[in-house]
Amino acid sequence: QKEVEQNSGPLSVPEGAIASLNCTYSDRVSQSFFWYRQYSGKSPELIMSIYSNGDKEDGRFTAQLNKASQYVSLLIRDSQPSDSATYLCAGPGAVFAGANSKLTFGKGITLSVRP
Amino acid sequence: GAGVSQTPSNKVTEKGKYVELRCDPISGHTALYWYRQSLGQGPEFLIYFQGTGAADDSGLPNDRFFAVRPEGSVSTLKIQRTERGDSAVYLCASSLLQGPFGPEAFFGQGTRLTVV
Repeated sequence: QKEVEQNSGPLSVPEGAIASLNCTYSDRVSQSFFWYRQYSGKSPELIMSIYSNGDKEDGRFTAQLNKASQYVSLLIRDSQPSDSATYLCAGPGAVFAGANSKLTFGKGITLSVRP
Repeated sequence: GAGVSQTPSNKVTEKGKYVELRCDPISGHTALYWYRQSLGQGPEFLIYFQGTGAADDSGLPNDRFFAVRPEGSVSTLKIQRTERGDSAVYLCASSLLQGPFGPEAFFGQGTRLTVV
C-alpha cells in the first residue's frame, strides 16, 4: 500500500457548493499532512497544513485529520470556478528535528467548479 | 529571489545525452527535495537533502540519476545517458525542517525535460 492514497475523482461541483476531497494514509505514526493545489501547467502550491486531530480552518478551506481512521480531508466552502485545479495530499511530515521528512504525494484529485 | 528557483525551465535533449538541472532554494531552508511529475500523476519523490547530505535517496530510479548539494544551498540533479522515459517535469522544493507544522515545502516552477 502506498503511504498516501487519493482514490476518488475527478470531482465536479456547482459554484457555491462544498467540495470534499479525501486522502488516506498507511503510517500510523504519521505527524503532519499537507494539501497542495496545482493549476494546469503550474507547480504545486501549499494551501493547508495540519498535524493535530480535528479541524483546521483557513478562510473557505477546512482541513480535517483523523489519526484513528488514518484519513485527511479538505473541504472547500462556497466553491468558485477559480478553485478548479488538482488537489494533492502529501504526508507524512515529521515535526521533530533530525527525522526523515520525506513527503509522499497522492496522485491528486481534479476538481472542476461549474459556473 | 524570495521563492525556489529552477533552471532551466525547459530542456530538450537527445537520448543518451547528459543533463543537469539546477535548484536554488529559499534562503535559509535547510531541507531540499527533488520530485518528478508525469502527466496525470502526483509528484514522485526522488531524493531529499538535509543540509549537504542526502538524507533519503530511495526514490532515485537507477544509477543514472545523481544529485548533489555541496554547500547546503543550491542543488543539481544530474541524469546520465538520458532515456525517453526520463521525460517529465522535475520539481524542486525546499522547507524549514523545524517549522511549526513540520516541513512545509515550497516548490519551484519546475524544469520540463523532454528526451527525444
